[in-house]
Amino acid sequence: ELKVEQNPLFLSMQEGKNYTIYCNYSTTSDRLYWYRQDPGKSLESLFVLLSNGAVKQEGRLMASLDTKARLSTLHITAAVHDLSATYFCAGILSGSARQLTFGSGTQLTVLP
Amino acid sequence: KAGVTQTPRYLIKTRGQQVTLSCSPISGHRSVSWYQQTPGQGLQFLFEYFSETQRNKGNFPGRFSGRQFSNSRSEMNVSTLELGDSALYLCASSLGVSNTGELFFGEGSRLTVL
Repeated sequence: ELKVEQNPLFLSMQEGKNYTIYCNYSTTSDRLYWYRQDPGKSLESLFVLLSNGAVKQEGRLMASLDTKARLSTLHITAAVHDLSATYFCAGILSGSARQLTFGSGTQLTVLP
Repeated sequence: KAGVTQTPRYLIKTRGQQVTLSCSPISGHRSVSWYQQTPGQGLQFLFEYFSETQRNKGNFPGRFSGRQFSNSRSEMNVSTLELGDSALYLCASSLGVSNTGELFFGEGSRLTVL
């Protein structure tokens, strides 16, 4: 069984600051996903990380994957208010095709 | 390119009733999976369909069922509704051909059981 843990669960940060969200998973995962969810909305795909050492960046967000440590990180650079949302990571147990196991989510609030 | 379409967006039912939710995937996508989102349990996998066949099923009672049609559209059904079934039901669409693809989510169907 794959378990995915995110921390922190809640994060308040000031605009302009940097921070990292951590995602640990319990066993081999074929790939690691990051999603964003705004209140009352659906999940927006941010990144799909496929292999050890993968790093992807989009704007102020950068995601990385360390399969040996079973750890993915989502780094936020110079946060802006528009980044306020809940961020989820999700893994897929090897051989389970497209069955995502989600973390609990990190609720990010960027304060002016 | 149209995204994933879920209907209805909102619905209210009473205990004991049943409900059917619909999901139309992105054109060309053959895999549809369903997730339940609640404040207490978070996002949980229900089931996945690919080419009209159920490929995986999550840990939910038999009251939860689904199917997929030849045009890849999918429906899920919940019978004998319970208060705890109140949730946002999300459908995800993917090509389904390889294991490296993205999953794109619809806006969801928000079910309230009274």
